[in-house]
Amino acid sequence: DTGVSQDPRHKITKRGQNVTFRCDPISEHNRLYWYRQTLGQGPEFLTYFQNEAQLEKSRLLSDRFSAERPKGSFSTLEIQRTEQGDSAMYLCASSLGGTLTGANVLTFGAGSRLTVL
Amino acid sequence: KQEVTQIPAALSVPEGENLVLNCSFTDSAIYNLQWFRQDPGKGLTSLLLIQSSQREQTSGRLNASLDKSSGRSTLYIAASQPGDSATYLCAVRGGATNKLIFGTGTLLAVQP
Repeated sequence: DTGVSQDPRHKITKRGQNVTFRCDPISEHNRLYWYRQTLGQGPEFLTYFQNEAQLEKSRLLSDRFSAERPKGSFSTLEIQRTEQGDSAMYLCASSLGGTLTGANVLTFGAGSRLTVL
Repeated sequence: KQEVTQIPAALSVPEGENLVLNCSFTDSAIYNLQWFRQDPGKGLTSLLLIQSSQREQTSGRLNASLDKSSGRSTLYIAASQPGDSATYLCAVRGGATNKLIFGTGTLLAVQP
């Protein structure tokens, strides 16, 4: 297992189009997170899954955003009717839950950079 | 609402210097605090995680301390190297949530 993988790494789209990002977490990690990061800012939390259940959603996640983790493995983040303000780096992270050593340490993917023209 | 602040926003030091990065948070009811490194255009790499019951963690040339009562953490980097140049982010996890709240980071440049 080489870590958290995200695809695509870069996406350029026109305003109004739909885009989908995929995240493959570390296989034994039961928790998966999506964050959004704009230039010069720290990442902002979007949503979090434990196994296949979506347990937390930020108010940043408008109706145009939807995330799924259908089998508790990979996850997708879809943005419908993209707007220029959606341009950002979308980061996925995974972790083990629990209290064992190493639990709750987030491993991030390299991110998917979205540019909306 | 938890807010995380990092000072300074940017720092430039000559190679070999020891340096301290600061992180402060407004709500002391945290579960843990993590320090991350981010290289330009890349994802984040976890450096150190401090549980709320701990005072410090060390990894190689890095030492992170946590003072929950004052809402502060510091990341100490000893004998800095040009390869340490990156943005350093701290993030806190509250007790009732699994989400991390990040600061805006400190951009570190270590000059050879």
